[in-house]
Amino acid sequence: EVQLLESGGGWVQPGGSLRLSCAASGFTFSSYAMSWVRQAPGKGVEWVSAVSGTGNSIDYADSVKGRFTISRDNSKSTLYLQMNSLRAEDSAVYYCAKDRVRYSSGPDAFDIWGQGTMVTVSS
Amino acid sequence: DIQMTQSPSSLSASVGDRVTITCRASQSIISFLNWYQQKPSKAPKLLIYAASTLQSGVPSRFTGGGSGTDFTLTINSLQPEDFATYYCQQSYTSPWTFGQGTEVEIK
Repeated sequence: EVQLLESGGGWVQPGGSLRLSCAASGFTFSSYAMSWVRQAPGKGVEWVSAVSGTGNSIDYADSVKGRFTISRDNSKSTLYLQMNSLRAEDSAVYYCAKDRVRYSSGPDAFDIWGQGTMVTVSS
Repeated sequence: DIQMTQSPSSLSASVGDRVTITCRASQSIISFLNWYQQKPSKAPKLLIYAASTLQSGVPSRFTGGGSGTDFTLTINSLQPEDFATYYCQQSYTSPWTFGQGTEVEIK
């Protein structure tokens, strides 16, 4: 069964840092681009960052550029999101999502999602 | 950035109704348009990709259409499990933007 399992969320003060992880199983992880997508409480869905299957191509939303870093360890089938200089507006459920198409240079459609991990930034 | 605008923001419908949701892009995205369904406290689920292709396992009562800037998601014969929020998303260019969502409620 194809599965994504996020972890690492929690409460942090403004200006703090968190590292999210997403463990993948049931598919050839290195063949697919992966993304982080977030959803603030009661709000819509926002794409945050994407990384290609090899890790060589990375992209960020302007709202997180310079503060968040996406990475992946294909030997561990795990995706990461290092979040620094966190702000209240970063509070959201963070989902990792798998691209639908193999070897794509950028997200095509997100066909598998994790259950999400909640990040709360508050003093 | 490409802005995605859905209409309506919410609608009330009955089981068996036909429902249509519209998504408009701020510029042409050809057919790089996906639709997702989200139920409370759950992750979004891919329904349709490339504007009109049904994702594997999705019931055929869901159909997508359109190209360029205007797209539709139609649910034929609404079922109890279809009451949810629906999002469109463009995959034409970064940043990969979503519509604000359309909540389908029970009348």
